[in-house]
Amino acid sequence: QSVLTQTPSASGTPGQRVTISCSGSSSNIGSNYVYWYQHLPGTAPKLLIYRNNQRPSGVPDRFSGSKSGTSASLAISGLRSEDEADYYCAAWDNSLSVVYVFGTGTKVTVL
Amino acid sequence: QVQLQESGPGLVKPSQTLSLTCTVSGGSISSGNYYWSWIRQSAGMGLEWIGRIYSSGSTNYNPSVKSRVTMSLDTSKNQFSLKLNSMTAADTAVYYCARHCTNDVCASWGQGTLVTVSS
Repeated sequence: QSVLTQTPSASGTPGQRVTISCSGSSSNIGSNYVYWYQHLPGTAPKLLIYRNNQRPSGVPDRFSGSKSGTSASLAISGLRSEDEADYYCAAWDNSLSVVYVFGTGTKVTVL
Repeated sequence: QVQLQESGPGLVKPSQTLSLTCTVSGGSISSGNYYWSWIRQSAGMGLEWIGRIYSSGSTNYNPSVKSRVTMSLDTSKNQFSLKLNSMTAADTAVYYCARHCTNDVCASWGQGTLVTVSS
């Protein structure tokens, strides 16, 4: 029941820049912050970006986030093999009640 | 460094109640700087937020499960828990617990525990 839509997959060679998009609506991305998570199967998901474009301590500056209207993007520059993972956007949605909604997820493959 | 570990039954029968516990180490669940969440992921599906609980005991639940869910804190054991009743096959998923900073600057998740609903 993902409310935020992401392209299912993205790929690049080492060193390239990859961009992942996340599309929502006025009740979520359009009026609230966007967050990005990295998830390697079998491990704990990791917060990469908070409040649209802020990086938690320890997250490399190769990861950057942006937001415009009801869409958001995550860019990975200088792609590395360890970046191969699933990436999810998220936002609070206040259409009916306060709900944290996730994107459909994007699988990033390093070729 | 905070660590979170989910525990509970890996198999639940349909119509039964799921009880999961998240044990927190390296930080107190009584701190007002955080809130505590449960999230799940069904096979081949995305992530679904179940709800959150603050140190005050205040909760927010996803309307999709609101009528079936209860979250609580056990400060004596530094644990928080999830109860989800009337389980069906659609509730089969990996369940994660997480700690979020109230000012958004951090989030830490457990590694998740698989719960299968089957008779």
